[in-house]
Parts: sequence; C-alpha cells; structure tokens
Amino acid sequence: NAGVTQTPKFQVLKTGQSMTLQCAQDMNHEYMSWYRQDPGMGLRLIHYSVGAGITDQGEVPNGYNVSRSTTEDFPLRLLSAAPSQTSVYFCASRFWTDSDTQYFGPGTRLTVL
Amino acid sequence: AQSVAQPEDQVNVAEGNPLTVKCTYSVSGNPYLFWYVQYPNRGLQFLLKYITGDNLVKGSYGFEAEFNKSQTSFHLKKPSALVSDSALYFCAVRDISRSSNTGKLIFGQGTTLQVKP
Repeated sequence: NAGVTQTPKFQVLKTGQSMTLQCAQDMNHEYMSWYRQDPGMGLRLIHYSVGAGITDQGEVPNGYNVSRSTTEDFPLRLLSAAPSQTSVYFCASRFWTDSDTQYFGPGTRLTVL
Repeated sequence: AQSVAQPEDQVNVAEGNPLTVKCTYSVSGNPYLFWYVQYPNRGLQFLLKYITGDNLVKGSYGFEAEFNKSQTSFHLKKPSALVSDSALYFCAVRDISRSSNTGKLIFGQGTTLQVKP
C-alpha cells in the first residue's frame, strides 16, 4: 500500500491564484480530512469527509473548498490564494470504525506571495 | 470545549537520559488522548492513545504516557532517549462535542524534542 499520498510537495503561488492540492489513499478509508500546520498553532482542521459525496467544515474552512467524488481522493481547492494561506497542509485518513488512529500524508508546503 | 496544551516549545535531553514531554487537557467527560510524532519533512505518525483502563499506556518506539486524571495531564515519557527520537511531538484529544462520530482530533501546538549525543 502507498498509504496517504499528497501532491505537490512544494508550491509557490501569487496572491489571487487558484490551485488544487491532491490527496489520495489506497486503504479504503471512509474518513478523510485536511489540516494546516502553522508554527506554534499545532494542526487545525480545515475540512473533512466521512465518505464519498459527504463533506463538512472543520475549524478553519474559509478560503478552501473540498469535494469527495470517490473514496480514494479528497482534493483541497484554494480559489483565490492569500498570504494567510501560507502553511504546510496535511491530508489524513482513517477507517470510520477506528476513530483513534489516523494516517497522515507527507504534507504540501505552500507559499503564497 | 475540548483543548490540549503543551507548555514547552522545546525540550532538550542528553542521549541515554529519561525524557518527558508534557501535555495537559481540558475536556467535558472522559478524555480520549493521543500522542503523535512528526519527523522532519514527514507527516504525523501515531504513537499511542489512552481511551480507558490502565493509566500507563505503552506505545511505539519505547514511548509511554501516563494519564493522570486529577492533574488532567497526559505526559509522554521514555526511560532512555535516543538521538533518533529528535522530532516534533503533538498531544491531541478527540473532539466529542458533536453528536455524530466525526472523530475529529484537537491538537496541541507541538513540542520539539532535541536529543543531544
């Protein structure tokens, strides 16, 4: 199993540009989520999904959109990037029945100029 | 509201010495507590969890954590630190504020562990 994969690893955007961060998992996990990691703030939940076709907001959803058309993929879209979205983004997944153990991807480091 | 706090930004330990990384929590009801480790340029990895039962929880890589209800703490410990333990450590609590089983985790701000040879 590849586990949780994320692309790209690094990205630089200009303010106002849009982009999609990709996340995929091959473990047949129902639950997937996106976090952002900022110094001194830990990880904060952006959006999550409990299954294909179902998404919900986390604690910092503004400026981000998600969709879940398949079990495997959970892309995160930035419609109009802002410098405040400079961060490291982590995707995570787990089984619905095992809410205790999440598997994290390697992260995407995003810089918005 | 559930929360966790890691009072130390960084912990420095000499190799071979015991280490402790501190975590305190605030929850309504019974806490579900976790420790994750993040090595440089990697995603987080699960170390251990406390749900119920024995207050001393053993996890991966020789780590353990002690749940103390009276002090609302869940400190991470290891009897003998290795240089390879140097990493960023996160304490987390499961968010049980919603009625549905979303299993969201609320993370502390992280503590950098530096083990020197």
